[in-house]
Amino acid sequence: GESVGLHLPTLSVQEGDNSIINCAYSNSASDYFIWYKQESGKGPQFIIDIRSNMDKRQGQRVTVLLNKTVKHLSLQIAATQPGDSAVYFCAETDYGGSQGNLIFGKGTKLSVKP
Amino acid sequence: NAGVTQTPKFQVLKTGQSMTLQCAQDMNHEYMSWYRQDPGMGLRLIHYSVGAGITDQGEVPNGYNVSRSTTEDFPLRLLSAAPSQTSVYFCASSYRGGTLHFGNGTRLTVT
Repeated sequence: GESVGLHLPTLSVQEGDNSIINCAYSNSASDYFIWYKQESGKGPQFIIDIRSNMDKRQGQRVTVLLNKTVKHLSLQIAATQPGDSAVYFCAETDYGGSQGNLIFGKGTKLSVKP
Repeated sequence: NAGVTQTPKFQVLKTGQSMTLQCAQDMNHEYMSWYRQDPGMGLRLIHYSVGAGITDQGEVPNGYNVSRSTTEDFPLRLLSAAPSQTSVYFCASSYRGGTLHFGNGTRLTVT
């Protein structure tokens, strides 16, 4: 999950297992949430998003779950592969008030063991 | 279609020097923004623009200037570099309400 410390939380999983990465967001007015994947030396890449009127959204091998009651977001990756090794960030925004500016979490490093 | 292009990829500056980080996008996106990424801090918004001629401050604007004279370009200027500005800088763009597309970053070291 997310951390306010200097060290990124790390999740280590075996290839083929499912991964769950958690994120606690801060603004109860946020109405749009996104997960990004960042590989070493590259910019963040969009994975999946969800609006606040939904509690679950599925993509290819990825599922995002949103629990607005406890302000919690999770990313589930099915059958994790070595290519999934990266840092994962959640981001939130309140389009009405922030003109689309995203607030990013501090990231979780996913390591996949072959 | 190159997406978001940032130059240079790496830069070393001495304290007090000035420089401009370049960012260009070829997707006709209205919205552009600059983030800095520091270890354990995630990405923090420096400045953003919702269209040509319009800029505004983000979370950490001090020490940085921006301008948006065209839709395509959004340069970030450091007028007098400080060691605290050592970071990786990312430019991003999107349509209004759309998905942010990021460049591959500029790694800046200030000694």
